[in-house]
Amino acid sequence: EAGVAQSPRYKIIEKRQSVAFWCNPISGHATLYWYQQILGQGPKLLIQFQNNGVVDDSQLPKDRFSAERLKGVDSTLKIQPAKLEDSAVYLCASSLAGTTREQYFGPGTRLTVT
Amino acid sequence: SQKIEQNSEALNIQEGKTATLTCNYTNYSPAYLQWYRQDPGRGPVFLLLIRENEKEKRKERLKVTFDTTLKQSLFHITASQPADSATYLCAIMEYGNKLVFGAGTILRVKS
Repeated sequence: EAGVAQSPRYKIIEKRQSVAFWCNPISGHATLYWYQQILGQGPKLLIQFQNNGVVDDSQLPKDRFSAERLKGVDSTLKIQPAKLEDSAVYLCASSLAGTTREQYFGPGTRLTVT
Repeated sequence: SQKIEQNSEALNIQEGKTATLTCNYTNYSPAYLQWYRQDPGRGPVFLLLIRENEKEKRKERLKVTFDTTLKQSLFHITASQPADSATYLCAIMEYGNKLVFGAGTILRVKS
């Protein structure tokens, strides 16, 4: 079974520029998550989708971050404009429906904002 | 405030010994707790889940205990191997809430 795919793997941008990340979850997984992981910390949930509806976006900085999951499959996360403190690894994960399900993570996108 | 605390210092052990990692939490009422492994440059990989009404769970060389009175989970790896070297993350979910991760503990197993 193919895992969670993410691209790009690495991205370097200057502050105030915009960037977008793409995620393709495991086939059949209804729930999709975007996490931010700052060096030395655990992943922090930014947004959770159930199919193409948002379940939780309480920790998403909505003035600069946006995410969508059209057709309930692929998802994109965008940052505009980027700040230095956005430098982190952005992880996408997916799971079967149901809150107790284990999550399957992609390899992440390492973002560096200079 | 809510906190999940894992050993901030790396745990260094000899091959063949049992590694024990700790996860303490404050101001959470977990429905269940999960443990993940994360290797450098990779996403976390799910290992085990334990529910609030379970005391212990095992999977091969892994064992997790959960004490809701002490507000603590212990994660054990028996007969540890250098390949077990990684960062181990614990994560808590309360009913109807998101999964919240600790910062993780680095485990180094030396041959």
